[in-house]
Amino acid sequence: AQSVTQLDSQVPVFEEAPVELRCNYSSSVSVYLFWYVQYPNQGLQLLLKYLSGSTLVKGINGFEAEFNKSQTSFHLRKPSVHISDTAEYFCAVSEIDSWGKLQFGAGTQVVVTP
Amino acid sequence: DTEVTQTPKHLVMGMTNKKSLKCEQHMGHRAMYWYKQKAKKPPELMFVYSYEKLSINESVPSRFSPECPNSSLLNLHLHALQPEDSALYLCASSQVGLAGGPADTQYFGPGTRLTVL
Repeated sequence: AQSVTQLDSQVPVFEEAPVELRCNYSSSVSVYLFWYVQYPNQGLQLLLKYLSGSTLVKGINGFEAEFNKSQTSFHLRKPSVHISDTAEYFCAVSEIDSWGKLQFGAGTQVVVTP
Repeated sequence: DTEVTQTPKHLVMGMTNKKSLKCEQHMGHRAMYWYKQKAKKPPELMFVYSYEKLSINESVPSRFSPECPNSSLLNLHLHALQPEDSALYLCASSQVGLAGGPADTQYFGPGTRLTVL
């Protein structure tokens, strides 16, 4: 079975500064990788995903993530954050042929201040 | 269009009430999911439907009863809930993969905020 670790429970960051959210996973088989964002009192929105191919994936709202197979990581980055990026961010892993079982990390709360 | 809709947005119910949550998608997805999310926690999978048949029940208490009347709709019937069942209930959908299992990406609805008094 797979597991996901988000190394930071909360990341404070100033507006227009860069941010990196760390995600490591463990699995004995090939996986799909996702980052979802959850704004206060809302559902989950897909930011980006890695299925195969290029290890650098670009998503919505200026976010990107890099898949590193040797380090089993999928860190999320944004070069310049806005106040509106304040939200909870979830890394998630799905083993190929896992029958819908998305394994979520515990989440990272990003708080952007002026 | 990657929209999953859920109604109602908020629901308050007593422990003796019967209520239902509704989820709808028009993306042609044939896999649909129910998740439960407590505050400050990640979503937890409850049920998976594939081709309108229940394929996964994550040992959910019988006071939660899912139903998939057609390929676009997913319901969650609630009866005799407990206060600890108060949570955000999320619906998601995805394609079904070539091998019959779910395809890659799940799309989530906005959720129903449930409060049990």
